Amino acid sequence: KQEVTQIPAALSVPEGENLVLNCSFTDSAIYNLQWFRQDPGKGLTSLLLIQSSQREQTSGRLNASLDKSSGRSTLYIAASQPGDSATYLCAVRRYSSASKIIFGSGTRLSIRP
Amino acid sequence: EAGVTQFPSHSVIEKGQTVTLRCDPISGHDNLYWYRRVMGKEIKFLLHFVKESKQDESGMPNNRFLAERTGGTYSTLKVQPAELEDSGVYFCASSQPGGGEQYFGPGTRLTVT
Repeated sequence: KQEVTQIPAALSVPEGENLVLNCSFTDSAIYNLQWFRQDPGKGLTSLLLIQSSQREQTSGRLNASLDKSSGRSTLYIAASQPGDSATYLCAVRRYSSASKIIFGSGTRLSIRP
Repeated sequence: EAGVTQFPSHSVIEKGQTVTLRCDPISGHDNLYWYRRVMGKEIKFLLHFVKESKQDESGMPNNRFLAERTGGTYSTLKVQPAELEDSGVYFCASSQPGGGEQYFGPGTRLTVT
């Protein structure tokens, strides 16, 4: 059974710092891995999607890496801003592009001005 | 292009009552998914429609939950009778025929008192 774990559960850092969010999964047989952002009262916004054959994806100040063999992914946020404050969710899909997503419990990030 | 929409945004009902949640996927998206997040837990998969057919309903918690997608367009999720532990946020997502990225709606926050 696939389980996704995110550490830490909460993180508070001052504005401008670079930070790393961690995600681990128990079954390395994944189709892809995705990082989402959730703002209070809002839906989920997809940030980065990494296919199983890829090692990393970048979008602006965000960089996500994937190491399938060790069952780990990291989300790197450069030069953090108060607007980055949100809950970040890691999620994996196992079999195909149509199968269900399995989510971690998230990291609640707070950027202090 | 309109995104995934959900109605209502928030529902407060008493234990034992019935509630029906609605999801309108992005036009042309054959795949429709329901997920929920109950207090303190991660987002969990409920079920997956391909057009009007249930492809995977392995996440449905019990027979108090009934999902339908008549005509393969919008979907409803009925909870009857509602219990306290059903409180949480119910998300809907859709994706194109064949799979691909899932686009999430804003969620319906259900509170059972």
